[in-house]
Amino acid sequence: KAGVTQTPRYLIKTRGQQVTLSCSPISGHRSVSWYQQTPGQGLQFLFEYFSETQRNKGNFPGRFSGRQFSNSRSEMNVSTLELGDSALYLCASSATSGRETQYFGPGTRLLVL
Amino acid sequence: AQSVTQPDIHITVSEGASLELRCNYSYGATPYLFWYVQSPGQGLQLLLKYFSGDTLVQGIKGFEAEFKRSQSSFNLRKPSVHWSDAAEYFCAVAKTSYDKVIFGPGTSLSVIP
Repeated sequence: KAGVTQTPRYLIKTRGQQVTLSCSPISGHRSVSWYQQTPGQGLQFLFEYFSETQRNKGNFPGRFSGRQFSNSRSEMNVSTLELGDSALYLCASSATSGRETQYFGPGTRLLVL
Repeated sequence: AQSVTQPDIHITVSEGASLELRCNYSYGATPYLFWYVQSPGQGLQLLLKYFSGDTLVQGIKGFEAEFKRSQSSFNLRKPSVHWSDAAEYFCAVAKTSYDKVIFGPGTSLSVIP
């Protein structure tokens, strides 16, 4: 089976722009979760989707949003980018509704100038 | 509020030596606990998790962790470290298996040949 794929892998944006990141889970997996990793704040949970429903969201402003499609692919969107949004964004997929098993993608590295 | 501390920012061990990485959490009820490893070549991986039952859990790559409720700890151990174990290790806690997860700051492991 193919692993978790994230596109794009690298992205450069300027402040005020918006960005959409994509995550394709392992085939058959219905749960997708997103994480932000920065040197200052470390790893932080963004949100989790199961069967197109957002079940949990971390402590991030409303500029961060996401969705999951019927094929389990997920996108996250950040509007009005700030310098502090520069980070590695990771997504993970799970076969079940919990983290019984969890597989991470390689991440999208976003740089905001 | 939930929190996770990893007292050791960086640890260096010799190849073949035993390893113990410390993790302490703050949470009122029985937590769901996780250990993750992140290396440049393999990305982020779920090493093991504790949901309930036996307090000693086995994970991938020969790692194990022990949940000690009285000490609010979930320390990660490996009897014999390999050079490929050099990586960043993150402990995490959640209320349920799918709830938002709180990560510790991480412990960087270096392995001396």
